[in-house]
Amino acid sequence: NAGVTQTPKFRILKIGQSMTLQCTQDMNHNYMYWYRQDPGMGLKLIYYSVGAGITDKGEVPNGYNVSRSTTEDFPLRLELAAPSQTSVYFCASSYPDRVTEAFFGQGTRLTVV
Amino acid sequence: AQKITQTQPGMFVQEKEAVTLDCTYDTSDPSYGLFWYKQPSSGEMIFLIYQGSYDQQNATEGRYSLNFQKARKSANLVISASQLGDSAMYFCAMREITGNQFYFGTGTSLTVIP
Repeated sequence: NAGVTQTPKFRILKIGQSMTLQCTQDMNHNYMYWYRQDPGMGLKLIYYSVGAGITDKGEVPNGYNVSRSTTEDFPLRLELAAPSQTSVYFCASSYPDRVTEAFFGQGTRLTVV
Repeated sequence: AQKITQTQPGMFVQEKEAVTLDCTYDTSDPSYGLFWYKQPSSGEMIFLIYQGSYDQQNATEGRYSLNFQKARKSANLVISASQLGDSAMYFCAMREITGNQFYFGTGTSLTVIP
């Protein structure tokens, strides 16, 4: 049972480069999320999706884009990377109800230099 | 206003002792869920325990229990018989019935001393 799979695990980008963080889940969860975690801080929501074809902004969406063409996949696109985007990125998924937890991927450690 | 507040940036506990990690929350929804996650130094997020707003009893999962005080809007995590492997960051989170997202606190770093 793979759960939530993120790739890559580590990446170094140069300022101005672009990349896509991949996220896929095999639990048939409707809801998927992208969070970033800065050193010593909590998780901040970047974007989320409540189902295929539906996405919405979270607390810190600037500089990112997402798409949700299938239930399983929720890629996060970084355009024109900036040092402020150096962070650990977590993808998560859940069922719609309030009683179930979010399942997290292993995280992607991104450094922009 | 912060949805989730964790006021203890760092905590120390002696091995085999119990420790309480504080969490307060803010919501006007009558129905919500509260969650605790553990993040060891390896970085993954591990779900520990859940408490529903309508649950009459405090949740327990092995050595973890949740001290839920609804009127005070607090959901403190109690770890009994601490082990060295409990050293990690701990995050409190909430999900409202009307919302689509999980709100996380800033975390508490727990260090277990041998």
